[in-house]
Amino acid sequence: AQRVTQPEKLLSVFKGAPVELKCNYSYSGSPELFWYVQYSRQRLQLLLRHISRESIKGFTADLNKGETSFHLKKPFAQEEDSAMYYCALSISRNFNKFYFGSGTKLNVKP
Amino acid sequence: GAVVSQHPSWVICKSGTSVKIECRSLDFQATTMFWYRQFPKQSLMLMATSNEGSKATYEQGVEKDKFLINHASLTLSTLTVTSAHPEDSSFYICSARAPDTGELFFGEGSRLTVL
Repeated sequence: AQRVTQPEKLLSVFKGAPVELKCNYSYSGSPELFWYVQYSRQRLQLLLRHISRESIKGFTADLNKGETSFHLKKPFAQEEDSAMYYCALSISRNFNKFYFGSGTKLNVKP
Repeated sequence: GAVVSQHPSWVICKSGTSVKIECRSLDFQATTMFWYRQFPKQSLMLMATSNEGSKATYEQGVEKDKFLINHASLTLSTLTVTSAHPEDSSFYICSARAPDTGELFFGEGSRLTVL
């Protein structure tokens, strides 16, 4: 069963435009949600997690349990934001499994 | 931050041979590590959860006899692709969860090419 859905494979915006990368999840328990980013030729790294409720590199994400969403937002995109973004769901605290969405490639044009 | 290292980063082998990929947590102990497979331009597919001192837990559809996982110590997990075939060619990524923050750290990945 698909646990994490990222409907957009590619999102292209111009520099300075707002960005929203969508993520929906399916899990009946208490989810831990994350956004991971993979810049070109680099390994995956954590961008932010819903528990910390912080803003990283201008990005924020709010967990909406009613809509089972965890969309990633940034008011003004920068060229250096161009990367692959993966939404991830962690379940089963004993094993701490992570499930990833299919990813969205963000392309910020000058 | 914590570091997870994979070795080798790229391996080419002949069909029918076995290949071992190592995943090490360099500055923290990881009782649980994860192995993912990533196809070109696709997401990471969780293959298995590697548990230190016990058997790995495989995801549905992943052949445990094909992908042998050993987690012999708190800093090392290995993935062995047995009798590799061209369809096993892929990018394999391991990760480990830091025990204090719960953050997942990823290795740099290992690209397997089976001729």
